Amino acid sequence: AQSVTQPDIHITVSEGASLELRCNYSYGATPYLFWYVQSPGQGLQLLLKYFSGDTLVQGIKGFEAEFKRSQSSFNLRKPSVHWSDAAEYFCAVGAGAGTALIFGKGTTLSVSS
Amino acid sequence: NAGVTQTPKFRILKIGQSMTLQCTQDMNHNYMYWYRQDPGMGLKLIYYSVGAGITDKGEVPNGYNVSRSTTEDFPLRLELAAPSQTSVYFCASSLDSLPYNEQFFGPGTRLTVL
Repeated sequence: AQSVTQPDIHITVSEGASLELRCNYSYGATPYLFWYVQSPGQGLQLLLKYFSGDTLVQGIKGFEAEFKRSQSSFNLRKPSVHWSDAAEYFCAVGAGAGTALIFGKGTTLSVSS
Repeated sequence: NAGVTQTPKFRILKIGQSMTLQCTQDMNHNYMYWYRQDPGMGLKLIYYSVGAGITDKGEVPNGYNVSRSTTEDFPLRLELAAPSQTSVYFCASSLDSLPYNEQFFGPGTRLTVL
């Protein structure tokens, strides 16, 4: 069965510092991978997705993620964090056509000044 | 173009009461979904619909009912509210099936059952 693990429940990063949020998945074939962001009081917004091809994926708001099959990981990165990036981040995996996404438990990002 | 809208934003229910959470999308999407989000638990799929008149259960359907009489609306019904249904509920839609099509989420309904 598919599963998604986000090992870090809460991360605090200084404004301007780099960020990496970890995501590990469990799935036998090539998964469809997603990162969503949820700002306080808002619904989820898609940051980026990986289906195939180039393993480094660019998303919105300056985020990128790298798919590493050997490590079953899809970590989210940003070179320089802004205070407005404070939010909850969810990694999700999809198995194939018509299947629902499985979400991780989320990582809360705090940004300190 | 409002996207996915949900009402109400907040609600407090007493045990045993019933209510309907409303969800409407104006993007002419075929697929609609209901999720619940519990603290530290991510999102769990309750029900989904692939088109008007067609609904199916997700991972956690017990205690809920849905209907889809139009493309735009996908209400979620709680018949006998229980404390275990205290959660934040999100409605979402996609043009066609996942994972190829992006899901768009509403702002959520925060429900407390006392």
